[in-house]
Amino acid sequence: VTLLEQNPRWRLVPRGQAVNLRCILKNSQYPWMSWYQQDLQKQLQWLFTLRSPGDKEVKSLPGADYLATRVTDTELRLQVANMSQGRTLYCTCSAVLGGGTGQLYFGEGSKLTVL
Amino acid sequence: GDSVTQTEGQVALSEEDFLTIHCNYSASGYPALFWYVQYPGEGPQFLFRASRDKEKGSSRGFEATYDKGTTSFHLRKASVQESDSAVYYCALGVNQGKLIFGQGTKLSIKP
Repeated sequence: VTLLEQNPRWRLVPRGQAVNLRCILKNSQYPWMSWYQQDLQKQLQWLFTLRSPGDKEVKSLPGADYLATRVTDTELRLQVANMSQGRTLYCTCSAVLGGGTGQLYFGEGSKLTVL
Repeated sequence: GDSVTQTEGQVALSEEDFLTIHCNYSASGYPALFWYVQYPGEGPQFLFRASRDKEKGSSRGFEATYDKGTTSFHLRKASVQESDSAVYYCALGVNQGKLIFGQGTKLSIKP
């Protein structure tokens, strides 16, 4: 069963242009939603965790600037700007688990390529 | 700060070989530790988790034991198959939704 739906799955991004990504949660039992980036060397890095509708965060990392928004209980968005190298963005969800951090479920990813 | 180190960047084995991928972590307390697997074109998939010293996690023939003394969570499998070819990640739980991942280990199995 797919818990997360990400779109677009692939996008060619002209240098200097921003792109908007969307993630839809299919099961509200896993309300903690996050974004991770995977670079071309396959390194996975946490970007944001947003729990409540209206939550927003920004971050600048080498190679891209990010703005994340929790739109509703089931929708998470990410704007990627000033991207200089391709990457894949993954949406994840998790539930509160007694005894520490719960496991993450990953979406299929949005692969971005810079033109 | 918290960190995870996987010693092997790539491992090449033949079918039925024994697998070990080394994972060491740096963190205070007893963070949850995870193993994930990623197949080409897919998102990472959860393998298993452990959160206490000496706890063993296991799934699909893979296993790892949480060792607080050596700060390790090494992945092992007694007999690998070609279908096990993938990238494996060790990870450490920081808080809800946030994991720190190791660099990943690409496992290639020759038939």
